[in-house]
Amino acid sequence: GENVEQHPSTLSVQEGDSAVIKCTYSDSASNYFPWYKQELGKRPQLIIDIRSNVGEKKDQRIAVTLNKTAKHFSLHITETQPEDSAVYFCAATQANAGGTSYGKLTFGQGTILTVHP
Amino acid sequence: DADVTQTPRNRITKTGKRIMLECSQTKGHDRMYWYRQDPGLGLRLIYYSFDVKDINKGEISDGYSVSRQAQAKFSLSLESAIPNQTALYFCATSDHPGTGGMNYGYTFGSGTRLTVV
Repeated sequence: GENVEQHPSTLSVQEGDSAVIKCTYSDSASNYFPWYKQELGKRPQLIIDIRSNVGEKKDQRIAVTLNKTAKHFSLHITETQPEDSAVYFCAATQANAGGTSYGKLTFGQGTILTVHP
Repeated sequence: DADVTQTPRNRITKTGKRIMLECSQTKGHDRMYWYRQDPGLGLRLIYYSFDVKDINKGEISDGYSVSRQAQAKFSLSLESAIPNQTALYFCATSDHPGTGGMNYGYTFGSGTRLTVV
């Protein structure tokens, strides 16, 4: 099955700086990679996702890049704000039928991001 | 207007007791999942169900069982609770892959914090 490793486990930045969180995956059949944000005491919520047919996707201050050859993908947050402070999870799955990882998300261990004012 | 509802929100139980966590959804999704969250370990899949007659084990199913009573309901049971099952439990739902691609944007419930003493 799939295995997802996420780094760093904690990340502390000053407001306005950029933050980068990196994930690697093991199953070359994985082709869908979402990122979730979990604020303190709340449920994880999808913030951005990328499919394997593209290398980069942006949505305002957040972007995700994917390197299929190296089997890693990253979340980039620019101009960080205190409200970006949360736990971020990457995940991977194979979204087409036939593989052992089909249809279920495997999550990384999470990154606690703290943005200091 | 909660679309994925988990009950109870918090529960303290004694070692050896049987306990059931319930999940109901109004999203109309066929696919439902149970994950547990532990600090530093991310979200780990316990069981998942792609439709009412489909039940599959995840990576950490030992000590747990599930029941898919209807499209909208998916319950998780701990037959004989033990302290290392103390965790935050999340139910999630997702849609089928869409035409031309896939969308596995999970919708999570608010979580059940379970403590086994």
